[in-house]
Amino acid sequence: NAGVTQTPKFRILKIGQSMTLQCTQDMNHNYMYWYRQDPGMGLKLIYYSVGAGITDKGEVPNGYNVSRSTTEDFPLRLELAAPSQTSVYFCASSSGTGGQQPQHFGDGTRLSIL
Amino acid sequence: QQPVQSPQAVILREGEDAVINCSSSKALYSVHWYRQKHGEAPVFLMILLKGGEQKGHEKISASFNEKKQQSSLYLTASQLSYSGTYFCGTEGSTSGTYKYIFGTGTRLKVLA
Repeated sequence: NAGVTQTPKFRILKIGQSMTLQCTQDMNHNYMYWYRQDPGMGLKLIYYSVGAGITDKGEVPNGYNVSRSTTEDFPLRLELAAPSQTSVYFCASSSGTGGQQPQHFGDGTRLSIL
Repeated sequence: QQPVQSPQAVILREGEDAVINCSSSKALYSVHWYRQKHGEAPVFLMILLKGGEQKGHEKISASFNEKKQQSSLYLTASQLSYSGTYFCGTEGSTSGTYKYIFGTGTRLKVLA
């Protein structure tokens, strides 16, 4: 059972570079989420999607973009990386809204921007 | 607007009980509980729905007081494996923008 798979697991970027964090799930879940977790802190919602072709902003969307062309994939794009984006990024999925069904998390991508 | 959890941290001996509280300033329709071990992803424990329905873990229980906008997680006869950070989570909407918000977290350590 793969569940939610995130790649890469670790990445170091230079300020101003761009990259895409990949997330794929094999549970046929409609709902997918991107969170960031700063050291010692809780998780904050960046973007979410309720199905292919539908995405919307969460609590902290600035500096990020997403797309959802298929049910399985929900990539997160960082443009012009900044040190404030150093964090652990988690992708999650659920079969119903985040309030009604459990969210299943990937193992995370640890991103450092220097 | 982030749900506030208490206590912030707790240390237990194996076999002791603990209660973790989650309090929101906004109306709650459901509350989730997750546990996150250091360096790992959060893992779902339990959902509590408005109206009393509860889905989740066999050895951990929880309550949900809709009127007080609070939830409590009860860990009984704690085991070493219970160590980690516990988060409550809830969904809501502000100015039409959907939010799923995690609480401030409670660090729990169980000692042998």
